[in-house]
Amino acid sequence: DTGVSQDPRHKITKRGQNVTFRCDPISEHNRLYWYRQTLGQGPEFLTYFQNEAQLEKSRLLSDRFSAERPKGSFSTLEIQRTEQGDSAMYLCASSLAMSGPSLNEQFFGPGTRLTVL
Amino acid sequence: RKEVEQDPGPFNVPEGATVAFNCTYSNSASQSFFWYRQDCRKEPKLLMSVYSSGNEDGRFTAQLNRASQYISLLIRDSKLSDSATYLCVVNRDDKIIFGKGTRLHILP
Repeated sequence: DTGVSQDPRHKITKRGQNVTFRCDPISEHNRLYWYRQTLGQGPEFLTYFQNEAQLEKSRLLSDRFSAERPKGSFSTLEIQRTEQGDSAMYLCASSLAMSGPSLNEQFFGPGTRLTVL
Repeated sequence: RKEVEQDPGPFNVPEGATVAFNCTYSNSASQSFFWYRQDCRKEPKLLMSVYSSGNEDGRFTAQLNRASQYISLLIRDSKLSDSATYLCVVNRDDKIIFGKGTRLHILP
């Protein structure tokens, strides 16, 4: 399977615990995005990387959230001191951004569903 | 006002009918546009990109009206398998903004 993969698919944790999610993008894609989606809403942008550089972070990404893409391949999203409001589906997407105008079509992974008790 | 707005629906449409959704965007600097489809508890999947000249893919037609800042999706001869949430997506300076989605139910 050469699509975007995410691990774990489901995570249940207690409030106050730290959690880390992993995303493996499509191998030739240089851009990687993280989104959060709650029931009845569209995905909300959190952050994105071009290669290993984190180019933009949403104001939704509080100090408790951190994302890395150390070698420009896989990425991790860590949430520290989880809160019940962090319960959501965390989606990763990747795309191939080229110089010049780009349609920037994104391909999504299956998501990690986080439940904070 | 949200940057990308869609009617959440649900649209309940009999099988075989034609259905159309609109999506409006507020930032005229938006550069590219897409429709994604999302099934219940699944990830979004690209349905089609939306080109300025309009484009068609089988039963699906997408249109872009830059002057009025809206995008449309038309589904002809709807199938039961078209039941899903349709997400309007706008790309502005590589920032990707999703609408909340329009839920479509195709009725047998």
